[in-house]
Amino acid sequence: GIQVEQSPPDLILQEGANSTLRCNFSDSVNNLQWFHQNPWGQLINLFYIPSGTKQNGRLSATTVATERYSLLYISSSQTTDSGVYFCAVEREDYKLSFGAGTTVTVRA
Amino acid sequence: DAGITQSPRHKVTETGTPVTLRCHQTENHRYMYWYRQDPGHGLRLIHYSYGVKDTDKGEVSDGYSVSRSKTEDFLLTLESATSSQTSVYFCAISGSKNYGEKLFFGSGTQLSVL
Repeated sequence: GIQVEQSPPDLILQEGANSTLRCNFSDSVNNLQWFHQNPWGQLINLFYIPSGTKQNGRLSATTVATERYSLLYISSSQTTDSGVYFCAVEREDYKLSFGAGTTVTVRA
Repeated sequence: DAGITQSPRHKVTETGTPVTLRCHQTENHRYMYWYRQDPGHGLRLIHYSYGVKDTDKGEVSDGYSVSRSKTEDFLLTLESATSSQTSVYFCAISGSKNYGEKLFFGSGTQLSVL
């Protein structure tokens, strides 16, 4: 199956800092999505982004499908950004495969 | 809000007993999924459905069965629960007119098998 690698595994930020999370995948994909799991366990869809760039407030994402990677940017981080960020990709059959996640801790 | 609810939210059961988890959606999404989340393993797909009575296995389907008799309901059954099935179970949905292929998760069910 398709391999999804996320880096870094852990990230500690001071409030107000910017950061970049990376997702590499091993094969061409039809679908790529980013999720945030908050400290209470809730999973929120951030972006559906199989290619190109999207922005949503302080978050933005870019997927370069031809080079098999995606980046999630967090600007002016806040404590509410803490949690685990997952990248998920789908190659076929509508089955998304998830990376292991990046755990982000934002300190006040 | 994609309108997805899971029940129960928490369950404690004993080894060998049957368990059924329910996922209900209100916005006519075509695809429904069951994932489990465990420390060190991330989110792994158990089973999914691409329509009423149309289901298929995911990567960790052993010991689980599913049924989808109506568009809005997707049931996950552990026929004889084992301690290795202690986990957090998430239902997810996708494939709607309003949201396209975006995947939305329910709040999860914490299952403990003693």
